[in-house]
Parts: sequence; structure tokens; C-alpha cells
Amino acid sequence: DVKVTQSSRYLVKRTGEKVFLECVQDMDHENMFWYRQDPGLGLRLIYFSYDVKMKEKGDIPEGYSVSREKKERFSLILESASTNQTSMYLCASSFLETGADTQYFGPGTRLTVL
Amino acid sequence: AQTVTQSQPEMSVQEAETVTLSCTYDTSESDYYLFWYKQPPSRQMILVIRQEAYKQQNATENRFSVNFQKAAKSFSLKISDSQLGDAAMYFCAYRSADSNSGYALNFGKGTSLLVTP
Repeated sequence: DVKVTQSSRYLVKRTGEKVFLECVQDMDHENMFWYRQDPGLGLRLIYFSYDVKMKEKGDIPEGYSVSREKKERFSLILESASTNQTSMYLCASSFLETGADTQYFGPGTRLTVL
Repeated sequence: AQTVTQSQPEMSVQEAETVTLSCTYDTSESDYYLFWYKQPPSRQMILVIRQEAYKQQNATENRFSVNFQKAAKSFSLKISDSQLGDAAMYFCAYRSADSNSGYALNFGKGTSLLVTP
């Protein structure tokens, strides 16, 4: 079974802190994604990566950056956390070849910024 | 960007009954993929069913089936013989077949399904 893991299920940080959310997948997937989930807004794409060291902005990249140094790991970075970044963050991965391929999701990290 | 609309924030169904969740989308593309994802209270999102736009036949997966109306840009999910374990948030999603899009999913806002005994 494909496994996508995220470093923390719950995280509490203070305003202004630098925050790292880590995601690891074990299926050699080329594509990796970071989404943000908020009630009533569904999931919104923050960043995605289709290869090591490659990244593309999604719909809401402001306030975030990403890092993909190894194929299996995709990190989301909040350079200076703010209260409006309190949310559920979901990581996903998929194969590159076709758009029909399933995205596999991690369990999510619920981040609270105080 | 393509827009995905789920007009039912909440739905309720009795065990063993059938329920249909609605989804419409807006696109100018002719080739794309549509998905229904399920997110149970434990939060792990899993794929329920997917449909390729070039296929006329509606996809089915056991008790789950879709009604894909390409001209109407409609993609509804039917759950037959509902079970308590079907209670979850359901998301409709669109993905372009254009590789330049990076294959990211555009999600609707979700429909919360309650299953009553």
C-alpha cells in the first residue's frame, strides 16, 4: 500500500515562528502536493512539485515556501507564521505519467498559530 | 482555473438507502478527469471513484457509481445501500489532462454525509 506520512498530526506555534511541515511518501512518486483545508472552502493548492528541486506555485502560495531535496520528501515552510495560517494542511503524492492517476493523501497536520 | 461546485453542504441518508451527491464544474477543456474523494472523521482522504472525460460509460466501484453528463458538466455520486461507514466529507475534484497544469486537483467545498441507523 502507498503510504504518505506527515511529521505531526497536531502542531501549535506562535506568531512569527518559522514552521516546517514534513511529508514523506514511499512509492517513488514524482508529483507531490501541499493543500490547505479550511471549513467551507474545501482544499486549496499551496504548492506542488513534479521532480526533485522543482516546484510550482498553486492557488495560495503567499506566506509559504517549499523544499524538495529528495524525491520522497516534500516540506512546507511558513517563514513567519501568522494566525491566518491556522488550518489543516494535507500532503499528497501521485505518479507523473497520467492525469488519471490517483493522488494519495497523508493524514494531515492541524496547525494552530497563536 | 476550473471551478468545482458542490451545492449541498450537508446530506443525510438512512442506512441501506441510496443517496446522490451533486457536483458541477466549469471548464473549457475537452480532456480531463473527475474524482470523488472521501474524508472520514479520521481525516485520511481516500479516492472513491474516478472518471475519464473521454469515456462515455459511467464509472462504478461496488456500491458507488457516478452519473457523468459531459455536456451539462455534471458529475454526481450515487451511494447505494448506504452504510454507517460511509459517513464522511465527500469532495468532488477536477484535474486537467494538460501536463502543464502539474496534475493538481481542483476541489469543491465538500458535502458532509450523515448516515443514520
